[in-house]
Amino acid sequence: KNQVEQSPQSLIILEGKNCTLQCNYTVSPFSNLRWYKQDTGRGPVSLTIMTFSENTKSNGRYTATLDADTKQSSLHITASQLSDSASYICVVTAWSDMRFGAGTRLTVKP
Amino acid sequence: DAGVIQSPRHEVTEMGQEVTLRCKPISGHDYLFWYRQTMMRGLELLIYFNNNVPIDDSGMPEDRFSAKMPNASFSTLKIQPSEPRDSAVYFCASRLHSPGQGAIGELFFGEGSRLTVL
Repeated sequence: KNQVEQSPQSLIILEGKNCTLQCNYTVSPFSNLRWYKQDTGRGPVSLTIMTFSENTKSNGRYTATLDADTKQSSLHITASQLSDSASYICVVTAWSDMRFGAGTRLTVKP
Repeated sequence: DAGVIQSPRHEVTEMGQEVTLRCKPISGHDYLFWYRQTMMRGLELLIYFNNNVPIDDSGMPEDRFSAKMPNASFSTLKIQPSEPRDSAVYFCASRLHSPGQGAIGELFFGEGSRLTVL
């Protein structure tokens, strides 16, 4: 069983709308959680990192939240743009062991 | 720095042929990872090196796969003989060790090598 579960698997939204992606994990002991963005045909690029003591962190229109008690994280995208179309991958680290979620495929349509 | 550099970007070969994928990590990074990505299974860790030494190769699917890191600036992933089920995108990534719990450094990925085995 994958220790990092992402939902939804895919999502289609209209340009300008907001959306929220979810990541639930059972990885332990928790070190940090990163959200990566992967454009089609490219390698993943880190958007944000969350450590145990952080509840929320923003990177432009991207805001990540972390609830270490419930072991849940979310990535909120505000005022979506066509360039946000990509896969978003949640990666949770336990010590030096990194666990990858399957990703959420986001499509932003004009 | 140019980032992690992988070659070739695309490779089409016939079943049974040998395939060699190459990676140049970011200078100064002491960890190097090889991943395979497919639609069905997402990103899977194949093997990783620390200071050029293979640490965990439990993700290597079978003996047909081998990886080497002869020096800090170069690594190869070889498949011999290749099979159609090996078709995937292979990513190399590197990172810098950060001491202390909770301080695992960011993974920097290459652009990937898309392998098609006919």
